[in-house]
Amino acid sequence: DAGVIQSPRHEVTEMGQEVTLRCKPISGHDYLFWYRQTMMRGLELLIYFNNNVPIDDSGMPEDRFSAKMPNASFSTLKIQPSEPRDSAVYFCASSLGASQDREAFFGQGTRLTVV
Amino acid sequence: GEDVEQSLFLSVREGDSSVINCTYTDSSSTYLYWYKQEPGAGLQLLTYIFSNMDMKQDQRLTVLLNKKDKHLSLRIADTQTGDSAIYFCALTGGGNKLTFGTGTQLKVEL
Repeated sequence: DAGVIQSPRHEVTEMGQEVTLRCKPISGHDYLFWYRQTMMRGLELLIYFNNNVPIDDSGMPEDRFSAKMPNASFSTLKIQPSEPRDSAVYFCASSLGASQDREAFFGQGTRLTVV
Repeated sequence: GEDVEQSLFLSVREGDSSVINCTYTDSSSTYLYWYKQEPGAGLQLLTYIFSNMDMKQDQRLTVLLNKKDKHLSLRIADTQTGDSAIYFCALTGGGNKLTFGTGTQLKVEL
């Protein structure tokens, strides 16, 4: 397996535009997590899914943020409209709940810059 | 929610031991982890410990867990320049929710 794949790796957009970040988890994993990393706040859990169902979205900052997982191999995180304070690195991670250690495997991240 | 705290920076000399500390509030976590993040990359699992253990050793890494004080530490023996990175402790809470600490940036000097 190629690991968790995120796209794009870098995104620069203007304030007010819609941004969609994409994630392909490792095949067979039943948990998917979206995190945001900034210097000020560190690594924040935004939302996570189990078997494609959102379990906890309490970390989603505002209604401008939404996440979907239409099937087991794809998830999106959408920001509409985007603001400069949304600039961060967004990570997707997946894990297998039944594994002994429940290790989370991370993608390379999407670096979002909103100007 | 879960609070997981770490000191922000640690600087050590090559060859010395590094100790990275983590405190947390939720005592119900089953698994406690240490992840490593190198520049420009995602996080990778270094090691983990079950909540019913006090200590785990894995080559140069030693994890200590003090459940009474809700304190987790990672000791890296014979620290090398390649160990320079950000280290995160993490806990699984209810529903397999994975919460990370604030991260400690380890700098290894020659």
